[in-house]
Amino acid sequence: NAGVTQTPKFRILKIGQSMTLQCTQDMNHNYMYWYRQDPGMGLKLIYYSVGAGITDKGEVPNGYNVSRSTTEDFPLRLELAAPSQTSVYFCASSYYGALTSSYNEQFFGPGTRLTVL
Amino acid sequence: RKEVEQDPGPFNVPEGATVAFNCTYSNSASQSFFWYRQDCRKEPKLLMSVYSSGNEDGRFTAQLNRASQYISLLIRDSKLSDSATYLCVVNVKDYKLSFGAGTTVTVRA
Repeated sequence: NAGVTQTPKFRILKIGQSMTLQCTQDMNHNYMYWYRQDPGMGLKLIYYSVGAGITDKGEVPNGYNVSRSTTEDFPLRLELAAPSQTSVYFCASSYYGALTSSYNEQFFGPGTRLTVL
Repeated sequence: RKEVEQDPGPFNVPEGATVAFNCTYSNSASQSFFWYRQDCRKEPKLLMSVYSSGNEDGRFTAQLNRASQYISLLIRDSKLSDSATYLCVVNVKDYKLSFGAGTTVTVRA
């Protein structure tokens, strides 16, 4: 059980380039999330998904796109990279506890450190 | 007003000391509360959930005050390995969580 995995770990992009950050979870969680974390700041939600085929915008979606074709995978696409997108990107997943009728904690991947020059 | 606010610290304490800090949240309808720990440049990891009656996990004690909308974390007998940033996390709507910017704790020998 690997939990949440992300690739790549590090990436340097030039302004205007595009890339896809990969995220996979093997816990059969319905909910998946993408966050960015700038130095000294809290996590900001970019996009989230409540299940395969369903995605929605978070606080800071501009410049990003997502898809969720399977329960396991939730890739984040950056189009036309800009220096403002230099950040650490975390993918997370969570589940609904039917027995406790509560939304549980989120499990995070190790992050992708992206620099746009 | 931010959804979750924390004192950024840093709290510098000697080994063996007790350190405590709070966070406040703005959404009175929030139902789930957590403390996460984040080490430098690593992913956040769940430290403990916070329950209405308060709860303890070894040297860590979490309290919830719904009336005043704050959560606290107390660390007893601090270890060097407790040095980290502690994130206060509150659900804002169902499955969506809001993260505080973190409180930095440094434990010195």
